[in-house]
Amino acid sequence: QSALTQPASLSESPGQSISISCTGASSDVGVYDYVSWYQQHPGKAPKLIIYDVNNRPLGVSDRFSGSKSANTASLTISGLQAEDEADYYCSSYTSTSTLENVLFGGGTKLTVL
Amino acid sequence: QVDVVQSGAEVKKTGASVEVSCKASVGYIFTHNYIDWVRQAPGQGLEWMGSIDYNSGATNFAKNFQGRVTMTRDLSNSIVYMELGSLRFDDTAVYYCASRPHHYMDVWGQGTTVTVSS
Repeated sequence: QSALTQPASLSESPGQSISISCTGASSDVGVYDYVSWYQQHPGKAPKLIIYDVNNRPLGVSDRFSGSKSANTASLTISGLQAEDEADYYCSSYTSTSTLENVLFGGGTKLTVL
Repeated sequence: QVDVVQSGAEVKKTGASVEVSCKASVGYIFTHNYIDWVRQAPGQGLEWMGSIDYNSGATNFAKNFQGRVTMTRDLSNSIVYMELGSLRFDDTAVYYCASRPHHYMDVWGQGTTVTVSS
């Protein structure tokens, strides 16, 4: 069982928009603005697409955007393209007085029909 | 351009240890970053194992791996190592290193497949 909860799979048509949710707790997603999102194509390493909730690294399409409300973060992909078909993982930083930790969601398999 | 290169695939027996290396290529610098290790079992999601502060060498491990994993670095050669001991069948996975400048992993290695067999 993953610490962050994502839908296992989603599908949408090309050109449409879709949002992937990532639900955590008040001790991680809810308190830190350190949510990141990774895209992973089959057989490839994950790729950072959103960091610190809503920031895009250089070179990442502006069709990808992130947001957060309370304990739930979301990744939105607009204008879906065939190349967006991939697995998507959210991640959150969390910390106690003695230990920091990095949590991942279980991943969402996105199918672009 | 490949910034981070990992060592090749490994096949190990149960109970053995495996060491995976992660090297910064020319032009990429680990300094001021944490290096995280993340694994992915076949058909499964990502699992954070722990991190090493490249500057200080301080380590921080996920609870599931404490006592079984070590992380070290070789500053002169820009290499980070992860050793996992007492291997079990369910340690079969692809192991990734990733550079973490703040609270996100921005550069990932290509992954190293570790297979544990009897």
